[in-house]
Amino acid sequence: GIQVEQSPPDLILQEGANSTLRCNFSDSVNNLQWFHQNPWGQLINLFYIPSGTKQNGRLSATTVATERYSLLYISSSQTTDSGVYFCAVGQAGTALIFGKGTTLSVSS
Amino acid sequence: GAGVSQSPSNKVTEKGKDVELRCDPISGHTALYWYRQSLGQGLEFLIYFQGNSAPDKSGLPSDRFSAERTGGSVSTLTIQRTQQEDSAVYLCASSLGGVAYEQYFGPGTRLTVT
Repeated sequence: GIQVEQSPPDLILQEGANSTLRCNFSDSVNNLQWFHQNPWGQLINLFYIPSGTKQNGRLSATTVATERYSLLYISSSQTTDSGVYFCAVGQAGTALIFGKGTTLSVSS
Repeated sequence: GAGVSQSPSNKVTEKGKDVELRCDPISGHTALYWYRQSLGQGLEFLIYFQGNSAPDKSGLPSDRFSAERTGGSVSTLTIQRTQQEDSAVYLCASSLGGVAYEQYFGPGTRLTVT
């Protein structure tokens, strides 16, 4: 089956710093989503981005489907950005396959 | 509008008991998914319902796990004869259509088997 790798596994930032999270996948996909899991365990949808570039406030994402990777950019990080960021991909006829996540800690 | 809801939010049960977990998808969503998140494990797929098609059960870890979806809406995940390794957060998601559509997750049910 398709493999999803996220890097880095852990990231520690000072408030105000920028960061880039990466997601590599091993096959073509027709769904790619980025989620933020908050401290209460809720998965918050950040982006639905099987290809192209999107921006939402301080967050943006780019997926280069032909090269099988996606990047999540967080600018001017805040303590509330802390948590686990998951990339998940899907192919026709399958459910989402999740990466192991990047744990982000932002300190003030 | 209302998101995906799940109940109960927490469930503690004794080993060997049966449990039922409920999921109410977003209204109008034809696809419904169950996933599990265990300590030290990632999120793993369990079962997928799409419209009136036969469900994809390929992720169910054992025959103690089953799920049904009534009237194309509410779904119940049943775990029979629970084991300690079943302790996890069970997450439900729904989408407008198949896998190519954006999935939205509920808050999860935390199951603890003692």
